[in-house]
Amino acid sequence: QKEVEQDPGPLSVPEGAIVSLNCTYSNSAFQYFMWYRQYSRKGPELLMYTYSSGNKEDGRFTAQVDKSSKYISLFIRDSQPSDSATYLCALSWGKLQFGAGTQVVVTP
Amino acid sequence: EPEVTQTPSHQVTQMGQEVILRCVPISNHLYFYWYRQILGQKVEFLVSFYNNEISEKSEIFDDQFSVERPDGSNFTLKIRSTKLEDSAMYFCASTRGGQGSDGYTFGSGTRLTVV
Repeated sequence: QKEVEQDPGPLSVPEGAIVSLNCTYSNSAFQYFMWYRQYSRKGPELLMYTYSSGNKEDGRFTAQVDKSSKYISLFIRDSQPSDSATYLCALSWGKLQFGAGTQVVVTP
Repeated sequence: EPEVTQTPSHQVTQMGQEVILRCVPISNHLYFYWYRQILGQKVEFLVSFYNNEISEKSEIFDDQFSVERPDGSNFTLKIRSTKLEDSAMYFCASTRGGQGSDGYTFGSGTRLTVV
């Protein structure tokens, strides 16, 4: 079983819709939970990070962590074509372990 | 906003040649990392570096790889004798705290092409 599972997509949504992304993990040692955005052939850009179960909001982005279910989510409200990218979940307990990334396409 | 700087952005090298990838981490960060992403695949951990020594390395990071912090600002990854399968994007990252409590900041990467 992979330590971090993430559906690679692609996930296509119309502009203005809510994008819903998630990852599951198997190792309860993970302490910090992050979401990165990556454009083609660019470096991962940190969007959100958290260490506790619950919700964290930043502008149009909401990150959710459920440690009991080993499940994390990212929601993007009012999606824009510029949100089209690959979104990576990443979990850390000393080194960062990435999910495979979900490709998101927001169509005008 | 402070950023991690990587040079060069693209390096083409012949198989068997040595390459050095360079990174300037954020100045007040203490932990440094190299990651690799083969085209179409996930971002993979190579090595972490703290207090002038390797703290952890993956099975990918074999004897062909080495890291160094030659001065107070640069952090380098050397591949001694490149193979075709070393072709990938290489990302440097840094954090203040070793557990990633403040998130990891990544550079924009070096695209290494081995021919």
